[in-house]
Amino acid sequence: ETGVTQSPTHLIKTRGQQVTLRCSSQSGHNTVSWYQQALGQGPQFIFQYYREEENGRGNFPPRFSGLQFPNYSSELNVNALELDDSALYLCASSLRQISNTGELFFGEGSRLTVL
Amino acid sequence: KQEVTQIPAALSVPEGENLVLNCSFTDSAIYNLQWFRQDPGKGLTSLLLIQSSQREQTSGRLNASLDKSSGRSTLYIAASQPGDSATYLCAVSPWGTSGSRLTFGEGTQLTVNP
Repeated sequence: ETGVTQSPTHLIKTRGQQVTLRCSSQSGHNTVSWYQQALGQGPQFIFQYYREEENGRGNFPPRFSGLQFPNYSSELNVNALELDDSALYLCASSLRQISNTGELFFGEGSRLTVL
Repeated sequence: KQEVTQIPAALSVPEGENLVLNCSFTDSAIYNLQWFRQDPGKGLTSLLLIQSSQREQTSGRLNASLDKSSGRSTLYIAASQPGDSATYLCAVSPWGTSGSRLTFGEGTQLTVNP
């Protein structure tokens, strides 16, 4: 069974640039969600994708967008980067079905630094 | 809006001690509650998940309890070891979301001294 993998692990961007982060979900999982974790804080829910459509969104502006592909992998795109976007971005996958526990499995994250 | 609070923010104990981490949440309409472990700069490792209909879950030296009516959960770690040093995060998912859209606390940073 393959776990959740994310790429890249680290990257540095400058203000105003755009970034794409990638996530491969755990084998058999059909739902992917993304979280932002600032230093010293708990993760904050960005959005979730199920069946290639956004299925719930946290309090993040539209410049945060995503995609889910037929193989359930996902991308997080952030446009017009701001200094406050510097954070660890975590991807989590789960299996959405009746009677499922709803347990989420997280990847190791992508550390984004915006200068 | 769901809010999750974890107390204490940091805890330092000698090896071998039993300890309790606390988590409270404001909205009792939850689907489940998960406890995670996070090592510095790393992702989250799921430790225990408690469904809203359950009272507790156990895995090895870990035991988590849930009192949904009072909005509280505790994580009990028995016979702590230096390898248990990490940040422990509590998270709840709202009812009707099939376990997604977690709201996290800010974590308890645990240090176990040899």
